[in-house]
Parts: sequence; structure tokens; C-alpha cells
Amino acid sequence: QKEVEQNSGPLSVPEGAIASLNCTYSDRGSQSFFWYRQYSGKSPELIMFIYSNGDKEDGRFTAQLNKASQYVSLLIRDSQPSDSATYLCAVRGTSYDKVIFGPGTSLSVIP
Amino acid sequence: GAVVSQHPSWVICKSGTSVKIECRSLDFQATTMFWYRQFPKQSLMLMATSNEGSKATYEQGVEKDKFLINHASLTLSTLTVTSAHPEDSSFYICSASRRIDYGYTFGSGTRLTVV
Repeated sequence: QKEVEQNSGPLSVPEGAIASLNCTYSDRGSQSFFWYRQYSGKSPELIMFIYSNGDKEDGRFTAQLNKASQYVSLLIRDSQPSDSATYLCAVRGTSYDKVIFGPGTSLSVIP
Repeated sequence: GAVVSQHPSWVICKSGTSVKIECRSLDFQATTMFWYRQFPKQSLMLMATSNEGSKATYEQGVEKDKFLINHASLTLSTLTVTSAHPEDSSFYICSASRRIDYGYTFGSGTRLTVV
């Protein structure tokens, strides 16, 4: 079983809609969860981190964490064409410092 | 804060030569840095964890004699790809964190092409 799983996509949403990105992880002891955005040919940039169950909002982005279900999601409200990128879910497990990345979900926002 | 600088941005080298990539934390001390490799349309694959003043910890399948990592100071880690071959062509990215739970800041990445 892969440690961090995401739907590869591509996920297409119209401009202004809500984009929902999902991620599951296998290490039940995982403590920190991150969402990164990566444009083609560029390095990932951190969008949000979350480590408590529930929702965390930052502007148009909301991260949701459910440790019982081993599930973390990212919602992007009012999606813009500039949001078109690959979104990487990352999880820090019980092994201190080590962060595991999911395969990424490609998002395309259609004008 | 938490800026990570990586150089060079891109490099083309001949097969059999060595290439050194530098990763610097500009405004914080990083006792631990990480080196990743990313092939086209694939996710980040952790190659090694670089610890200041000690030997790097390599992930399974990564040749430590081919990918030499040195972390001589709290702000600098280097990755040297020795005797590079075309299959080593990839996007190499370093990262570091001021505080683990705040996530990692990535360097801008180095596009290596071996011809």
C-alpha cells in the first residue's frame, strides 16, 4: 500500500467553482499534513499545513483533516485559471523529519 | 522568512563528469536539509536527508557513492552527482524547514541534463 495516495487527475473545474482535492495516508501515527502547489518546471510552494482535526482556512483555501479516516483534503474556492497546477499532499509520519509526498493531482481551471 | 536558495538553476554536462548543486538557507539555520529528485510528470522522490556535521541518510535504492552529500554548515548542503549518465538527468530539489511543523521551503530546483 502506498503511503500517501491522491487521484492523479486531471481534475477540471470551471472558473469560479470550488475545486476539491483529496488525499489519504497509511501511517495512522502521522502528525503533520501539508499541501503544496507546483507549477510545471518549478519547485513546490507550500500552500497550507494542518495538524489538528477539522478545518483550517486561509483565504480561498481550506484544508480539512480527519485523522480517524486518515484523510486530508484541500478546497479551493472561486477557482482561478492561475490555480491550474499540480497539487501535492505531503505527510510527516512517525519518523521524525521525514515527509512523504503523494503523487500529486493535476488541476485545470477552465476560463 | 525561511528562504532556501539553490544553484545552479540548470546545468548541462557531459556523460562521465561530476556536477555539484548547492542549497543554502538564507535567513535561518537548517540542521537538516532534504534532497529530492523529480522525473517528468512524477512526484518528488526523497533521495537523502542531509544532517549538519554528520553523514547523510540515504533512501533505499539511492547510491551513496554516486550522489555525494555534504552538509558542512548550518546553512549549506551540497549534492554532487558523480560520473553522471543520461539517466541521471532530472529535476533535483532541496528543502529545509525552520520548524518541522511549519512545512518545508523548497529551493528553486536544478534541472540537470546529461548528454
